[in-house]
Amino acid sequence: EPEVTQTPSHQVTQMGQEVILRCVPISNHLYFYWYRQILGQKVEFLVSFYNNEISEKSEIFDDQFSVERPDGSNFTLKIRSTKLEDSAMYFCATTRDTSTDTQYFGPGTRLTVL
Amino acid sequence: DQQVKQNSPSLSVQEGRISILNCDYTNSMFDYFLWYKKYPAEGPTFLISISSIKDKNEDGRFTVFLNKSAKHLSLHIVPSQPGDSAVYFCAAASGGSYIPTFGRGTSLIVHP
Repeated sequence: EPEVTQTPSHQVTQMGQEVILRCVPISNHLYFYWYRQILGQKVEFLVSFYNNEISEKSEIFDDQFSVERPDGSNFTLKIRSTKLEDSAMYFCATTRDTSTDTQYFGPGTRLTVL
Repeated sequence: DQQVKQNSPSLSVQEGRISILNCDYTNSMFDYFLWYKKYPAEGPTFLISISSIKDKNEDGRFTVFLNKSAKHLSLHIVPSQPGDSAVYFCAAASGGSYIPTFGRGTSLIVHP
């Protein structure tokens, strides 16, 4: 069964550094999402992406965040200047189209900001 | 601002018995509800969903009930199996957008 993959599984960085989290969507999927889950908290929506544009974004997704699909396969989330409170699990999810109710989630990247 | 609430952080059930996971929501605009299951070191996996035009949806051992007047939904697992042990997230969406608002999750442990 096709699956969403994410790299790295764990990223440790110093406060103020830039990080890039990578996701490889399922090959025929067109809609991409990033979510995060701070330890002990709920899963929170960050951003959705379709046709090389942001479709929706939450209040969390401020100017320090950006997304792109640089090479037609990877879908990346960049955090420009990490803060301690950015420490969380970051999940990528993809859907074939928005009319389906099934978002396929990747295994997540654990980001630790020191 | 907890628009989707799962008030029980954990639930322990004997194998073979029924597991009932509860979820309440506050936003009356929600019209689509989902349950996800999450194992450690994995992402959430879609389990079952229900539209607000229905009050019940069944898929094998899993049934979701929706009570719109009470803004409450529940997931029933019958019979429960040890492999069902996971964190279960309730989620809700509205306005044709399938971007869900998640609850904090309930950790289900099914004892052999």
